[in-house]
This record gives sequence, C-alpha cells and structure tokens, in this order.
Amino acid sequence: NAGVTQTPKFRVLKTGQSMTLLCAQDMNHEYMYWYRQDPGMGLRLIHYSVGEGTTAKGEVPDGYNVSRLKKQNFLLGLESAAPSQTSVYFCASTTGDTQYFGPGTRLTVL
Amino acid sequence: KQEVTQIPAALSVPEGENLVLNCSFTDSAIYNLQWFRQDPGKGLTSLLLIQSSQREQTSGRLNASLDKSSGRSTLYIAASQPGDSATYLCAVRRGAGGTSYGKLTFGQGTILTVHP
Repeated sequence: NAGVTQTPKFRVLKTGQSMTLLCAQDMNHEYMYWYRQDPGMGLRLIHYSVGEGTTAKGEVPDGYNVSRLKKQNFLLGLESAAPSQTSVYFCASTTGDTQYFGPGTRLTVL
Repeated sequence: KQEVTQIPAALSVPEGENLVLNCSFTDSAIYNLQWFRQDPGKGLTSLLLIQSSQREQTSGRLNASLDKSSGRSTLYIAASQPGDSATYLCAVRRGAGGTSYGKLTFGQGTILTVHP
C-alpha cells in the first residue's frame, strides 16, 4: 500500500513550456485534490475531483488544467508555464474526512 | 470566505516544555478541523481530526481542542521533544457533508523548533 504518490519529485521549466504532474493513489478514494504551497501562504486548492471523469475548480485554478480519466490517477497540467507557478505542488485524496497527502513536487519556472 | 490564521508563525522552545499552538477561523460553519504535521521537504501527515460536534481529540502527547462558536482551536503538545520540530498546519472543512466535497482551507502554519 503506497498511499499517495507523485511524479516527478522535482522539475525545472522555462517560461512557456508545458508539463504534466501525475498523482496516483491506491486507497480507492473518490475525492482527489491538487494544492500549491507557497511561503507564508499555506496550501491553496487548485482543482479537485469527486470521482472518475469529474473535475472542478478550486481557489486558484488559472493557468492549470486537470483530468481524472481513472479513479486512481489525477493529472495536473501546465500548458504554458509562468514564473508565478514556481511552487511546491501537493496531491491529496480522501473518502471524506482525513486527507492523505503525497510527498510533493517542487517546480521551478525560470 | 473562510480565513484561517495560525499564531505564532514560529516558535522555538527548549526540550521538555509544554506548548500551545493556536488556530482561528472566521466562519464557524465548519464540518471538521484537522491538524497536520509537515517535515521539511515532505508532505503533510494528519495528526488529529475534530468533528464539529466534538470539543477535543487526543493522541499520545497531543491534544487538540475546538471551540466552534468562537472560531478557535488549539494544539497542545506535552513534554516537547526535538523530534517534534516541524511545521504544524490547521485546516478547516467547511459546509455540511457532501456539498463541501472535503475541501480544506489551510492556515499558514506554525514552524516549531524544539532544541535539546
């Protein structure tokens, strides 16, 4: 039981490049979330999903897209990266109460 | 809009001290409140979850209380140890049941350092 895993752990992009972050969970959770964590600002919700094939916007969705084609996977895409998207990205999943977090992806956009 | 504030932003204490971390929220219509621990470069680990109908939860040396009407929660750590050094975050789940879809609003965290 690996819990929540994230790929990659680190990434450096140039402005305008695109990339996809992968989140996988093996706990059969319905709900999955993408957050970003910036110094002094806590975690902010980007997008979330309440089940396979569904996605919804969170607090800071601009510049990101997501997909949940399989229940166990939640993908976060950056179509045209900007320096303001330099952050640590966390994925989480839950059945409704306790959220389980992945180890994070540290992304730097130059 | 729910806002969550944690005080203090940082705390440094000698080993063995009992300490209190504070969390306040602006909208008392919460479903539950969670305390998380985050070690440097790592993800978040849930420590305690308090449902809106509960007043406190305990796990080992940790005790979390909730006063929903005043919008406050405290995390009490007894007999602190250097291994307790980490960032502690509180988060509230708003709304009732399924309408919130488990979404959390986080505070900025308290960075705790316990020195030997």
